[in-house]
Amino acid sequence: NAGVMQNPRHLVRRRGQEARLRCSPMKGHSHVYWYRQLPEEGLKFMVYLQKENIIDESGMPKERFSAEFPKEGPSILRIQQVVRGDSAAYFCASSLGVHTGELFFGEGSRLTVL
Amino acid sequence: DAKTTQPNSMESNEEEPVHLPCNHSTISGTDYIHWYRQLPSQGPEYVIHGLTSNVNNRMASLAIAEDRKSSTLILHRATLRDAAVYYCILINAGNMLTFGGGTRLMVKP
Repeated sequence: NAGVMQNPRHLVRRRGQEARLRCSPMKGHSHVYWYRQLPEEGLKFMVYLQKENIIDESGMPKERFSAEFPKEGPSILRIQQVVRGDSAAYFCASSLGVHTGELFFGEGSRLTVL
Repeated sequence: DAKTTQPNSMESNEEEPVHLPCNHSTISGTDYIHWYRQLPSQGPEYVIHGLTSNVNNRMASLAIAEDRKSSTLILHRATLRDAAVYYCILINAGNMLTFGGGTRLMVKP
């Protein structure tokens, strides 16, 4: 399967713990995007990364959230000291280059904070 | 990015055509019209896109008004698997996709 792979698919954390979500883009894609979808809401852009660079993090909360896309390995979205409001589905998408609108999305990681 | 307006929900019978409308009266000349859909518990899936001319692919057709202020996604024969939220999005190359509320399509057997 050459699609966008996200793991874990489901993650449960207690308040104050850390959550790490991983995204492997489609083969050959070097641009990665993270979106968040709160229950019964639409998708909100969080961050856009190329290999080793954050291009646009305008949608990322200023505290507790960080993202990276190292030269080797998957992109990681890290949430420190999670709170109940972080419970959501986190989707990763990738594109070959600067996209012209067609993004390929993964199936998402669903975070539940107890 | 320019704003789009879609009905909150629509209903269709299985194996009948479905026309999903989208208004985008403030569209700019360089905005592409993209449609994505999101099936339950899945990530969004690209459906189709166009600039000025009508477009067809294996999934759907896109009809774009001559003045580009509206467009219609056409599913020629709805199946139960087409039940999803359909998003109409305007995008310039390199800008981030902004998802609105979309249209929830329900397909009745």
